[in-house]
Amino acid sequence: RKEVEQDPGPFNVPEGATVAFNCTYSNSASQSFFWYRQDCRKEPKLLMSVYSSGNEDGRFTAQLNRASQYISLLIRDSKLSDSATYLCVVTRGTGFQKLVFGTGTRLLVSP
Amino acid sequence: DVKVTQSSRYLVKRTGEKVFLECVQDMDHENMFWYRQDPGLGLRLIYFSYDVKMKEKGDIPEGYSVSREKKERFSLILESASTNQTSMYLCASSFRGRTGELFFGEGSRLTVL
Repeated sequence: RKEVEQDPGPFNVPEGATVAFNCTYSNSASQSFFWYRQDCRKEPKLLMSVYSSGNEDGRFTAQLNRASQYISLLIRDSKLSDSATYLCVVTRGTGFQKLVFGTGTRLLVSP
Repeated sequence: DVKVTQSSRYLVKRTGEKVFLECVQDMDHENMFWYRQDPGLGLRLIYFSYDVKMKEKGDIPEGYSVSREKKERFSLILESASTNQTSMYLCASSFRGRTGELFFGEGSRLTVL
C-alpha cells in the first residue's frame, strides 16, 4: 500500500463549480499535512497547510480526519487558473520530518 | 522572493557518464533536498541535507551522491548515469523546523541515452 494515495483524475469541472479531492495516508504517526499545487511543466508550490481543526484560505478549504486517515481539499467557485495537479503531502518520521508526496490529482476547469 | 536555482533545465547524457546537478538557494535556508519526479510515482526523495557538510539518504539514494560544501549550494552527483535515471530532478530548500514549506527549483530534465 502506498503511503499517500490520491485519485489521479482528471477531474473535469466547469468554471464556478465546487470540487473536492481526498487523499488517504497509511502512517498513523504522520504529524503534519499539506497541499501543494503543480502547474503543467512547473515546480510544485505550497498551497496550504492542513490543520487538525480545518482551515480555509479564500476559496480553498482543507480538512483533516485523523481517525480515518484522510485529508481533503475543497475548491469553491473554480477558476480556469485553478487547473493544475494537486499534491497531497504528509510527514514521516520522528525528529527530522521528511515529506512524502502523493502522485497528485489533476484538475481541469473549463469555460 | 525565495529563489532556488538549478543549473541546467535540460541535459542529455550517455550511459556511464558522470553527471552533476547544481542547486543554489538565496534565502539562507538550512535544509536542502533532491527529489526526482516520474509519472505515476510522484516525487521521491533522493537525499537531503540539514546543514553544511551534512547529508542524509532519502528513499532512493542508490546510484546518487550529494555534496554540500556551502549553505546555499547542494549538488547531486550521478557517478555513472544509467537509463533508469532519466527523470525530472527537483531541488528544494526550507527553513529548519519548517520542512513542510518547501521551495522548489524549476527542475532539471535529465535524459540518459
